[in-house]
Amino acid sequence: AQKITQTQPGMFVQEKEAVTLDCTYDTSDPSYGLFWYKQPSSGEMIFLIYQGSYDQQNATEGRYSLNFQKARKSANLVISASQLGDSAMYFCAMRESTGNQFYFGTGTSLTVIP
Amino acid sequence: DTGVSQNPRHKITKRGQNVTFRCDPISEHNRLYWYRQTLGQGPEFLTYFQNEAQLEKSRLLSDRFSAERPKGSFSTLEIQRTEQGDSAMYLCASSLGQAFGLNEKLFFGSGTQLSVL
Repeated sequence: AQKITQTQPGMFVQEKEAVTLDCTYDTSDPSYGLFWYKQPSSGEMIFLIYQGSYDQQNATEGRYSLNFQKARKSANLVISASQLGDSAMYFCAMRESTGNQFYFGTGTSLTVIP
Repeated sequence: DTGVSQNPRHKITKRGQNVTFRCDPISEHNRLYWYRQTLGQGPEFLTYFQNEAQLEKSRLLSDRFSAERPKGSFSTLEIQRTEQGDSAMYLCASSLGQAFGLNEKLFFGSGTQLSVL
């Protein structure tokens, strides 16, 4: 089974609108961390936001917030007030406390329309 | 903090040749990862170092791939007898890794794009 599933290959959003990028995960480890990364066309992966499995509140970082629904095993990224510079690939990732590697999803390509 | 540096940025080689990539992590980071990414896919784990020790290697990784991290500083990834299927972006990442949690976030380099002709 896939550890990380991102079901939206591509998304479009109007500038200044909010957009939600979906991510579901699969693990039996009670302790894990969830990460979102942005990959612009230049190629470098940029860390956006982190959610720990025991965190009681949803993580927020500026215009980024994470809609963490533990029972559903979902960790959706919400980008508010989209900007043209938000156009990029977005990857959800997970690391389990019992392992070393980070598992990445296949990504969602976001295009912000002026 | 100068970031993670990878060299070269691009490498074109002929099938059957050997290639070596270098990664210089952020200096105080003790964890170093190599990932491979093909077009339209997410990064795929190759191998992981904690300091100089290679602690995990992907079971999918061919014996033609080898990685080192001497003295726990820079790392090299070598591919022997390259095949066209090795064409991909090779990403290096490092993390502080002091405790499980946010400190484990990965800092990525810009990658090395390998094209095998």
